[in-house]
Amino acid sequence: DQQVKQNSPSLSVQEGRISILNCDYTNSMFDYFLWYKKYPAEGPTFLISISSIKDKNEDGRFTVFLNKSAKHLSLHIVPSQPGDSAVYFCAASGNSGSGNTGKLIFGQGTTLQVKP
Amino acid sequence: NAGVTQTPKFQVLKTGQSMTLQCAQDMNHNSMYWYRQDPGMGLRLIYYSASEGTTDKGEVPNGYNVSRLNKREFSLRLESAAPSQTSVYFCASRLQASLYTDTQYFGPGTRLTVL
Repeated sequence: DQQVKQNSPSLSVQEGRISILNCDYTNSMFDYFLWYKKYPAEGPTFLISISSIKDKNEDGRFTVFLNKSAKHLSLHIVPSQPGDSAVYFCAASGNSGSGNTGKLIFGQGTTLQVKP
Repeated sequence: NAGVTQTPKFQVLKTGQSMTLQCAQDMNHNSMYWYRQDPGMGLRLIYYSASEGTTDKGEVPNGYNVSRLNKREFSLRLESAAPSQTSVYFCASRLQASLYTDTQYFGPGTRLTVL
């Protein structure tokens, strides 16, 4: 049973427009969420994160929104650039309390293509 | 700083052979992790080490063993490789700056093929 799902395998947008990547989760114990970006033949690189005490976090062109009642998060990239073309993974963890192991559960990934 | 390094980058094994994947980090992080990534799937946790001297199973530990040699190094061993272990393997280390600033940094990966 997949606890973190990215239902869109791919997304194509025009340069300068907004890219919206979506992620759903089922485990209500998750309280910390991350987005990673991955280029071919490289390891994932951290992009942005959000704690469940917030509903929005921004870092430059990247904003993550969290809707806890819907168990849904999204990553907005504005404006999109060709260099943003990569695979994006969302990940979740249960971060609070004792025995915090930092274990991450990943979604399947969404391949973003930004066309010039 | 090199961050997280992994060796080798590529490896081809025959079924039944053994090998050890090496991982090292120079960021003085306590926790380290091994993941595998298969086509169309996200990363799945194999084993992790919350601190030096401790290791624990993740989602898919069968067929693997690990050793946390010291704070810097965390190795993954396949005792008897099987074609189902063909995958890309990523090592990560964790920076937990606060309860709400918690990030894992990944190595470049090892691409393993088992024939």
